[in-house]
Amino acid sequence: DAGVIQSPRHEVTEMGQEVTLRCKPISGHDYLFWYRQTMMRGLELLIYFNNNVPIDDSGMPEDRFSAKMPNASFSTLKIQPSEPRDSAVYFCASSFTGGFEKLFFGSGTQLSVL
Amino acid sequence: DAKTTQPTSMDCAEGRAANLPCNHSTISGNEYVYWYRQIHSQGPQYIIHGLKNNETNEMASLIITEDRKSSTLILPHATLRDTAVYYCIVDTGGFKTIFGAGTRLFVKA
Repeated sequence: DAGVIQSPRHEVTEMGQEVTLRCKPISGHDYLFWYRQTMMRGLELLIYFNNNVPIDDSGMPEDRFSAKMPNASFSTLKIQPSEPRDSAVYFCASSFTGGFEKLFFGSGTQLSVL
Repeated sequence: DAKTTQPTSMDCAEGRAANLPCNHSTISGNEYVYWYRQIHSQGPQYIIHGLKNNETNEMASLIITEDRKSSTLILPHATLRDTAVYYCIVDTGGFKTIFGAGTRLFVKA
């Protein structure tokens, strides 16, 4: 398996623009997670899905953030409109256990909002 | 929430054992200790986890004290590729646990 695949690897955009981050989880994994990593706050959970259904989105910072999982092999995280403070590395992870063990992370998307 | 404290950074000579400590004095009886690491420009990678007993796998060993208030991750023969940030995490029953700052391990030739 190729692991969790995220795209794009890097994204540079201007304030106010819409940004869409993409994730393909490992086949067979029924949990999918979106994390954000910054120097100030570390790695924090934004939202997670189980069987394509959002379970907990309390970590989503604002209404500008939204996430979808239309099927078991694809998820998106959208920011509209983007702001400079959204600049961070966004990671997608998947798991088949639902527990904290063996989360498999993608390589992340480095987002820069100018 | 159970929280962890780790040294900010550590050095280790290549080929020697790296012992990374973690304090989790408020851990509850049913909470596991997890270790992840993050190599530069990559996503975190699972290493090992345990509840009470010591654990060993192909990557590392985890030693948990009898009172469970602290643990040590042991990389038996550190290589340059083990240079990374190591996170000690106590599962508080959900996925909201923040990874925190971790320990930056520098393996030197």
